[in-house]
Amino acid sequence: SAVISQKPSRDICQRGTSLTIQCQVDSQVTMMFWYRQQPGQSLTLIATANQGSEATYESGFVIDKFPISRPNLTFSTLTVSNMSPEDSSIYLCSVEGIGTDNYEQYFGPGTRLTVT
Amino acid sequence: DAKTTQPNSMESNEEEPVHLPCNHSTISGTDYIHWYRQLPSQGPEYVIHGLTSNVNNRMASLAIAEDRKSSTLILHRATLRDAAVYYCILDSNTGKLIFGQGTTLQVKP
Repeated sequence: SAVISQKPSRDICQRGTSLTIQCQVDSQVTMMFWYRQQPGQSLTLIATANQGSEATYESGFVIDKFPISRPNLTFSTLTVSNMSPEDSSIYLCSVEGIGTDNYEQYFGPGTRLTVT
Repeated sequence: DAKTTQPNSMESNEEEPVHLPCNHSTISGTDYIHWYRQLPSQGPEYVIHGLTSNVNNRMASLAIAEDRKSSTLILHRATLRDAAVYYCILDSNTGKLIFGQGTTLQVKP
């Protein structure tokens, strides 16, 4: 299994500002992903964080709005840029590829973002 | 990615078995069937997955139809802690999980 931490756990931000969310894993992993969960909704995949190269974004998400870094195999950041109230969501990172468990994804506890 | 269809909600009594259905009629030959669940105020957690054969683990069983167009997650004895949203997801080994709306399971004492 894996222990995943996210910082901050929650934040309240003003519109127009940016917030960077950190995801730290206690072991090296092959793949890292970022998801968004809007209030009362299911999870939506934002992007795959690629180590050493640009992230791969899903339809509807762009790098200018959600820049992602992954400098090594245990850490990634997601920035929510130029925030608006519509960005109020829970943001979760997930990882896959720990040891021989190449099929199971582990999710972080999430970062609850409120934009006012 | 192929789509899945699940009932919005289900109810169960504590200590009784629960069968959670999932339809995936457009599944391709390389799609694995994954089940995750999300307890209140937590991130999703892996439950079980399979390709063609039925699967058992400590949490649940997965019954896959012979034509693979549907599957059923079986919780053998529901507890109050099993109350969660259960997601049935298809993945062709890309790692990208596309979540549907899932089934909200209520467990009554």
